[in-house]
Amino acid sequence: GQSLEQPSEVTAVEGAIVQINCTYQTSGFYGLSWYQQHDGGAPTFLSYNGLDGLEETGRFSSFLSRSDSYGYLLLQELQMKDSASYFCAAEDTGFQKLVFGTGTRLLVSP
Amino acid sequence: GAVVSQHPSWVICKSGTSVKIECRSLDFQATTMFWYRQFPKQSLMLMATSNEGSKATYEQGVEKDKFLINHASLTLSTLTVTSAHPEDSSFYICSAREGSGVYEQYFGPGTRLTVT
Repeated sequence: GQSLEQPSEVTAVEGAIVQINCTYQTSGFYGLSWYQQHDGGAPTFLSYNGLDGLEETGRFSSFLSRSDSYGYLLLQELQMKDSASYFCAAEDTGFQKLVFGTGTRLLVSP
Repeated sequence: GAVVSQHPSWVICKSGTSVKIECRSLDFQATTMFWYRQFPKQSLMLMATSNEGSKATYEQGVEKDKFLINHASLTLSTLTVTSAHPEDSSFYICSAREGSGVYEQYFGPGTRLTVT
């Protein structure tokens, strides 16, 4: 089977930096994506790691270590609008489908 | 950018009836579309993968005869929930990929189904 585990909830204050971790166990693995979802809304793509290392996209960065089956999303200069759920998702080799992690609810306070 | 629409955005139906949900890629051709189900405060669960012109591939535990998926064109996929029951009430989300080897999926806004 496939499973991706994330912390259920993370809290932080505006302007801070927060890291959301994702550990995975998958039978086939091609890459790790991160999506943001506001309540009642559609998931939106944030970042993708096909190779080990750090990918930076503005305030968001994502990291992958295949040897550790681990990745994280780093959010800098937090804003109130960043309050949302964040999901890591593993791309299944060969089938090109995504298996989503358990999700992390981020609460940003003033 | 790539936009995916869903219709309807919400629907209420009576137990035993069928409901069809449409998913359209508006400005690109989607060779592959995916259907997910999401319960409140939970993750997205992949139900099935559909490729244009071929039968959908269902995930383990998803009833093929209950959740009928049709991908008739490169811009349209439909999900029909047949003989709906209250436990089918959920948020159904579709996504689409523009081609093979592309990792990014574009998600529709979702359809909230309530079965009474």
